[in-house]
Amino acid sequence: DAGVIQSPRHEVTEMGQEVTLRCKPISGHNSLFWYRQTMMRGLELLIYFNNNVPIDDSGMPEDRFSAKMPNASFSTLKIQPSEPRDSAVYFCASSLSTVLSSYNEQFFGPGTRLTVL
Amino acid sequence: AQTVTQSQPEMSVQEAETVTLSCTYDTSESNYYLFWYKQPPSRQMILVIRQEAYKQQNATENRFSVNFQKAAKSFSLKISDSQLGDTAMYFCAFMKHDSGAGSYQLTFGKGTKLSVIP
Repeated sequence: DAGVIQSPRHEVTEMGQEVTLRCKPISGHNSLFWYRQTMMRGLELLIYFNNNVPIDDSGMPEDRFSAKMPNASFSTLKIQPSEPRDSAVYFCASSLSTVLSSYNEQFFGPGTRLTVL
Repeated sequence: AQTVTQSQPEMSVQEAETVTLSCTYDTSESNYYLFWYKQPPSRQMILVIRQEAYKQQNATENRFSVNFQKAAKSFSLKISDSQLGDTAMYFCAFMKHDSGAGSYQLTFGKGTKLSVIP
């Protein structure tokens, strides 16, 4: 298995531009998580999906951020318009989650380093 | 809401020695899991070890072991026979069981940067 795939690995853009980060979860996994990592705030959960449905987006910082999961094998995190304070590493993680499961490990992608100038 | 605190921003250890990283957490949940993740310079998040809250026995994975004190809400990581490849950021994390949705959220501490010195 290739693991969680994220693209691009690095993104440099100018303030005001739209940025789209992409994630392909591990095949068969039904939960997908987007995290943001900064020096100041550490790792924060932005949003997670279960069976393609957004369950909790309370971590999304503001309306400029949006996430979609149109199918079980693809998710996007979009920032429009981007600002310098959005510069961070964005991680996607996936897991196989069921109500009856006692534990489901989250597998992380390699992250996308976003720099907004 | 859960909080995870790692009070040691940086630590160093001599190669082959033992080091302990500290973590405390705060929760009102009774059903939860605790984890230590390693993030080397490659940026990849790697699960090192996990502990179920209902288990009294401390988890062990080769050179890595934990000291889980549930009443004190403490979860420290001990690395024995430290190796140069252990140099990384180490994150303590808490996961509660969201039984309604069958999904599991991770709350992370700020991390401890560990340097293994040759």
